[in-house]
This record gives sequence, C-alpha cells and structure tokens, in this order.
Amino acid sequence: DAGVTQSPTHLIKTRGQQVTLRCSPKSGHDTVSWYQQALGQGPQFIFQYYEEEERQRGNFPDRFSGHQFPNYSSELNVNALLLGDSALYLCASSYLAERSTDTQYFGPGTRLTVL
Amino acid sequence: AQTVTQSQPEMSVQEAETVTLSCTYDTSESDYYLFWYKQPPSRQMILVIRQEAYKQQNATENRFSVNFQKAAKSFSLKISDSQLGDAAMYFCAVRNNAGNMLTFGGGTRLMVKP
Repeated sequence: DAGVTQSPTHLIKTRGQQVTLRCSPKSGHDTVSWYQQALGQGPQFIFQYYEEEERQRGNFPDRFSGHQFPNYSSELNVNALLLGDSALYLCASSYLAERSTDTQYFGPGTRLTVL
Repeated sequence: AQTVTQSQPEMSVQEAETVTLSCTYDTSESDYYLFWYKQPPSRQMILVIRQEAYKQQNATENRFSVNFQKAAKSFSLKISDSQLGDAAMYFCAVRNNAGNMLTFGGGTRLMVKP
C-alpha cells in the first residue's frame, strides 16, 4: 500500500521565480492538505483540497495557490518567490468521510530553497 | 483560533528510561482531537498517538501513552522504555471536528543517550 508521495525531494529557485510542488495521496484517501515548515518550527497549515476545490485556507497570501486533480493528487504553486518561502513543504492526505476519526498521513516533504 | 505550546525545546533521556513531553493548547471548540507526531531526521511526520477530547480514558499505543487533562488543556506524551530510535522532533497538534486543519506546536527535540 503506497503511502503519500511528494516530488521533487529538493528544489532550488531564485527570488521572483515560480515553483510547483506535487503530491500523491495515500491509496483510498480523497483529501490533501499542504503545510509549510520553516527551519526549527512546527508546520503551518496552507490549505486543504477536497473534490478539486479549496476547502479551507490558512493565513497565507494569494501567491500560494493549489489544485487537486480527479485522481486526488494535488499541486502547490508559489508565485513571485521570496527568501522567506524557503522551507520544507509537507503534504498530508486523509479520508474526509471519516472526518471524525480520520488521521492525516504525511509525505516526506519537498525542501525548497530560495536564493 | 487554536494555539499549541510546547515549552520544552529539548529533552534528553537515558535508553530504557521513561520521559514525558509537555503540551498545552487552547481552543474554543468543545469537540476536538489531539495528536502527537514524530519527525525523525528523515523529515517524514509519523503519527505516534491520537486522543479524542470527548474520551476521558487516556490513549495508549505500546510504549507511548498520554496524560490528557481537559480542564487544564494539557496533553503530555509519556515514552516508556526509551529506545535509540525514539530520538526525533516531537510535535503536539490539535484539530477541531469541523475542519481538518492541524495546528502544531513548536516541537520538542528528544535525544536518547545509550
């Protein structure tokens, strides 16, 4: 049973560029959440996708956008990159119908470095 | 809004001994869920244990158990018979029942001495 996968593992970009990160959820899961984890801190919620729509959003600017595909996989896009966007980006999947008992399973993350 | 505080940036334990990691939280929700996640150097966040706030009985998972004090909004993690593989960052998190957003604390780095 494949767990949550993310690509790429590492990414280096320069300020002002755009980046796309990808996530495939655990088999049987239909909901994908994205988190940003700065060095030495706990993860911060960016947004969550369900049925190809943004269901909930954290306190992040519009430069952060996402998409969910019919196969439940998801992309996180960040435009006009800033140095402060350097972080580990974590994807987590869950099964919404079991919201009361669900558990979010995390992928290994994508390390983004902005120079 | 929900907040989670982990007041111990680092903890150290001798192998085979017991250690307790502290966590306090604040939420206006009456129905919520609490989690402890482990993040080893490999970076992948791994669920250690979960607790439903409406359950008075403390959750246990093998060597891991929690002390859930709802009135005090406290959710500590006890690791018994510590092993070298337990060395990692540990994060406490809270989620309300309406949404699926996890709010994390700042983490506690656990070191296990052989």
